Amino acid sequence: DGGITQSPKYLFRKEGQNVTLSCEQNLNHDAMYWYRQDPGQGLRLIYYSQIVNDFQKGDIAEGYSVSREKKESFPLTVTSAQKNPTAFYLCASSRRGKDEKLFFGSGTQLSVL
Amino acid sequence: AQSVTQLGSHVSVSEGALVLLRCNYSSSVPPYLFWYVQYPNQGLQLLLKYTTGATLVKGINGFEAEFKKSETSFHLTKPSAHMSDAAEYFCAVRESGGSNYKLTFGKGTLLTVNP
Repeated sequence: DGGITQSPKYLFRKEGQNVTLSCEQNLNHDAMYWYRQDPGQGLRLIYYSQIVNDFQKGDIAEGYSVSREKKESFPLTVTSAQKNPTAFYLCASSRRGKDEKLFFGSGTQLSVL
Repeated sequence: AQSVTQLGSHVSVSEGALVLLRCNYSSSVPPYLFWYVQYPNQGLQLLLKYTTGATLVKGINGFEAEFKKSETSFHLTKPSAHMSDAAEYFCAVRESGGSNYKLTFGKGTLLTVNP
């Protein structure tokens, strides 16, 4: 089945540690996105990529980094510079085109130990 | 800059009653508008979208929404609520023109359906 796979489902970070969230899609989509979800805050865009080897900052990129070396993969690293990383992280992908819908993964819950 | 305001963070209805979830948007160019639904501990799935053409858009599970340019609104409705409709609903906007591909979401409305 085609879809988006996020792993792990739960992740714990220690102080000063970088952690990487995985996102893989087999939908042959050009565009991929990372959103952060906090209770009552909706979804806020961290980074997005419209094509391999290119990505743009979203609204809350500070303390995060991404890479897009393969079409299928868009990993997100939460660095030690992100002081409040506890949140639900959602990865999404879409075909190219502004009217295209996003397909979402099932999310990763990141917590700080 | 584009933005979305969802009026009411929590809406409670009785089973069989009308569902009305409000969404107002701001966009400097004609918008593309979306409604997504999220069930607990899951990702989001698309209910419906407006791009161009007919302003009344029908989606899955009996939901529909009407694009009203003069009111900058895209409210979501369903004539008769079902228990399975209990979820969080998000309105989203994307500018149709230019090179900005950002999709901006509202803060969400939690729908509770009472038996």
